[in-house]
Amino acid sequence: EADIYQTPRYLVIGTGKKITLECSQTMGHDKMYWYQQDPGMELHLIHYSYGVNSTEKGDLSSESTVSRIRTEHFPLTLESARPSHTSQYLCASTFDNGREAFFGQGTRLTVV
Amino acid sequence: KQEVTQIPAALSVPEGENLVLNCSFTDSAIYNLQWFRQDPGKGLTSLLLIQSSQREQTSGRLNASLDKSSGRSTLYIAASQPGDSATYLCAAEYGNKLVFGAGTILRVKS
Repeated sequence: EADIYQTPRYLVIGTGKKITLECSQTMGHDKMYWYQQDPGMELHLIHYSYGVNSTEKGDLSSESTVSRIRTEHFPLTLESARPSHTSQYLCASTFDNGREAFFGQGTRLTVV
Repeated sequence: KQEVTQIPAALSVPEGENLVLNCSFTDSAIYNLQWFRQDPGKGLTSLLLIQSSQREQTSGRLNASLDKSSGRSTLYIAASQPGDSATYLCAAEYGNKLVFGAGTILRVKS
């Protein structure tokens, strides 16, 4: 059973608001990822982290930022939400030795 | 550039049929290859993980194979059921990144 949690599951917010999407895992995983997925489309990596205090941008340019102050926590922040940020955001984690990756249930964000 | 491709993009089969989903990757220096299932509007559920040193993995009616030299993996589903209807994604792990294919949308008709 995967112990990785994302909150909120659904969020509708107005343009210009600051939002933080939460992702937490209790498995002690080193690596964590954020993916963006539009409906019916493929996953795009936007951020990843090897461990505490390490973060990297992914392949898809994103206006979001991330932090990794604790092993279990990898929040994603949008300083000023726009309608183009409307999408599903998926968080994942895994150990640093080629083992199975686990995903959260996702946050479906709508910016109006 | 590390890319993962999945064929077919969509597949519709009658219940009970055996089927094969294909995944190819451009860079053979993978750590592992993982198959996931995604139901509409949900996160991803891990199905099978094949380490780079392995050739195949099996779980119930699912069997996944890996051929690093040719850059290919296949997911075999035996005796398909309507509950198998979902999007199936493969992902290749390279160092610190998981690179995903676009997925195969499977529909099993009863």
